[in-house]
Amino acid sequence: DSGVTQTPKHLITATGQRVTLRCSPRSGDLSVYWYQQSLDQGLQFLIQYYNGEERAKGNILERFSAQQFPDLHSELNLSSLELGDSALYFCASAGGSSSYNEQFFGPGTRLTVL
Amino acid sequence: AQSVTQLDSQVPVFEEAPVELRCNYSSSVSVYLFWYVQYPNQGLQLLLKYLSGSTLVESINGFEAEFNKSQTSFHLRKPSVHISDTAEYFCAVENTGFQKLVFGTGTRLLVSP
Repeated sequence: DSGVTQTPKHLITATGQRVTLRCSPRSGDLSVYWYQQSLDQGLQFLIQYYNGEERAKGNILERFSAQQFPDLHSELNLSSLELGDSALYFCASAGGSSSYNEQFFGPGTRLTVL
Repeated sequence: AQSVTQLDSQVPVFEEAPVELRCNYSSSVSVYLFWYVQYPNQGLQLLLKYLSGSTLVESINGFEAEFNKSQTSFHLRKPSVHISDTAEYFCAVENTGFQKLVFGTGTRLLVSP
């Protein structure tokens, strides 16, 4: 158990809908990262937040957005869903802002868009 | 931009045989290197990492990887595999200071009796 929790574990929805994925980082970790794992694209970095502020952006679509709240949990919002958004979405958390902080991954949320 | 290449999508091997999973990376700056393991229906777990210092790094369960700067490689090896090592293995690179992991496409290790 990494200490990172993600809810829900599974999500099935229809095209055009909007969903919210939630991540609670390990106690004390300030950084949250979101990754997408799909058959087409593999594992891709989406976005990073550090202590409530966006720190880095990767291959995140404009239809996707994220935020980190004062209690440090994070949400990834996916809207106007398409079939190709079906994937496993991972959240990871890490400690501070030094040059290296190990990322601990949650179990993921499996999103299926029908 | 960095990239990671894992040429082998699947590696079948018999139990107690040695195995090597290959990883090559490209980057114009100094990097940290990682191997993550993903067991079925689970998240990613860090197996081992290279940050600096000794180019040979080891995990607690018998895996080792060697950073070769001239060949830009970070191959993962184990002298004798177990059935329980069956999993997907991802090599990843991070530009020092940027904290963004770039993953390879993964190698599925299949260990059979």
